[in-house]
Amino acid sequence: EADIYQTPRYLVIGTGKKITLECSQTMGHDKMYWYQQDPGMELHLIHYSYGVNSTEKGDLSSESTVSRIRTEHFPLTLESARPSHTSQYLCASSGGGATEAFFGQGTRLTVV
Amino acid sequence: GENVEQHPSTLSVQEGDSAVIKCTYSDSASNYFPWYKQELGKGPQLIIDIRSNVGEKKDQRIAVTLNKTAKHFSLHITETQPEDSAVYFCATYNNNDMRFGAGTRLTVKP
Repeated sequence: EADIYQTPRYLVIGTGKKITLECSQTMGHDKMYWYQQDPGMELHLIHYSYGVNSTEKGDLSSESTVSRIRTEHFPLTLESARPSHTSQYLCASSGGGATEAFFGQGTRLTVV
Repeated sequence: GENVEQHPSTLSVQEGDSAVIKCTYSDSASNYFPWYKQELGKGPQLIIDIRSNVGEKKDQRIAVTLNKTAKHFSLHITETQPEDSAVYFCATYNNNDMRFGAGTRLTVKP
């Protein structure tokens, strides 16, 4: 079982609210990722980090921001949630080089 | 950048039959090719992977083949069971960059 955790699992929130999705891993991995997954399955990379104080934007434009102050923690923040942000958000981490990525169980976000 | 194409997007088979999912990629420098299975309500989980110096790898009912010249790799599931029903993703890895295919929804009918 992977040691990567996401909270909350489900979140329903009103438009305009600020939210933070939490992701933590205890494997000491340097690389961490955030993916957005719509019901159509495809995984869209929205943010990634290669280590502490490193953050990059992914392929899919996103209004969210991330931070990496500690190796184990990679939170994603939406300053003002909108219905278009409704989706599933998956966090992942991997060790050095070409190795397996471990995924959290995801946060299903609904903005009403 | 790398472009990974995965086919088919949906696949329905009868229990006991084989299932094959194919992926092509564009960057010849890619050197690691994992396959992930995502069950309902969960995150994707690695089921098998192959590196560029190997042409085939097998783990019980699951096998992966890689053709580096043609830049394609495939997942083979034999003797499918209803619990194989899930979404499957291929991926490629090159220079710190992992790219996923669009996914295949496999349904195994009892």
